[in-house]
Amino acid sequence: EAGVTQFPSHSVIEKGQTVTLRCDPISGHDNLYWYRRVMGKEIKFLLHFVKESKQDESGMPNNRFLAERTGGTYSTLKVQPAELEDSGVYFCASSSGVLAWVNEQFFGPGTRLTVL
Amino acid sequence: SQQGEEDPQALSIQEGENATMNCSYKTSINNLQWYRQNSGRGLVHLILIRSNEREKHSGRLRVTLDTSKKSSSLLITASRAADTASYFCATSGPSGTYKYIFGTGTRLKVLA
Repeated sequence: EAGVTQFPSHSVIEKGQTVTLRCDPISGHDNLYWYRRVMGKEIKFLLHFVKESKQDESGMPNNRFLAERTGGTYSTLKVQPAELEDSGVYFCASSSGVLAWVNEQFFGPGTRLTVL
Repeated sequence: SQQGEEDPQALSIQEGENATMNCSYKTSINNLQWYRQNSGRGLVHLILIRSNEREKHSGRLRVTLDTSKKSSSLLITASRAADTASYFCATSGPSGTYKYIFGTGTRLKVLA
């Protein structure tokens, strides 16, 4: 069974540009999450999809970030326009758990975003 | 202060020694997981322990959970140079919430 995949693995852009990150969850997983780790800090939750619906987007830092999951399969996270402080590693995770009790999340390898 | 704080922040040991990392959290949880991140790579799942469990083993890894103290520990026995990585605990809960809350991690360095 394929794991969570993310593309690209690394992206280098200039301040003000737009970047779109993609995540393909494990097949059949309704729950999809985005997290990010800014240099030297903890990994922070961004948002949670259940199928195509945003269940919790309390961690999204500002309106420069837009996440979508059309059709309830893969998800994209767009940053527009990118700022220096957006640099970090963006992780995607998925889970099949209907109940939070059994919510084991499987993480992708991450996308390292560098904003110059 | 934040949920999921690891202690120590950094740990350096000799190969063959045991490494112990601790994690404290503040709210009630459904489960707690430990992850490893090698430099520049993704998160690797190590162990999940549910709130009604007290101890779990997986190979050279032993995890304990004390819900009364809101703390967990990860013990790596007979460490190897390949264990060098950052280790994170992540909590899920309280009931009804799905997001994981991570700590800042413990950077472990195992010297050959």
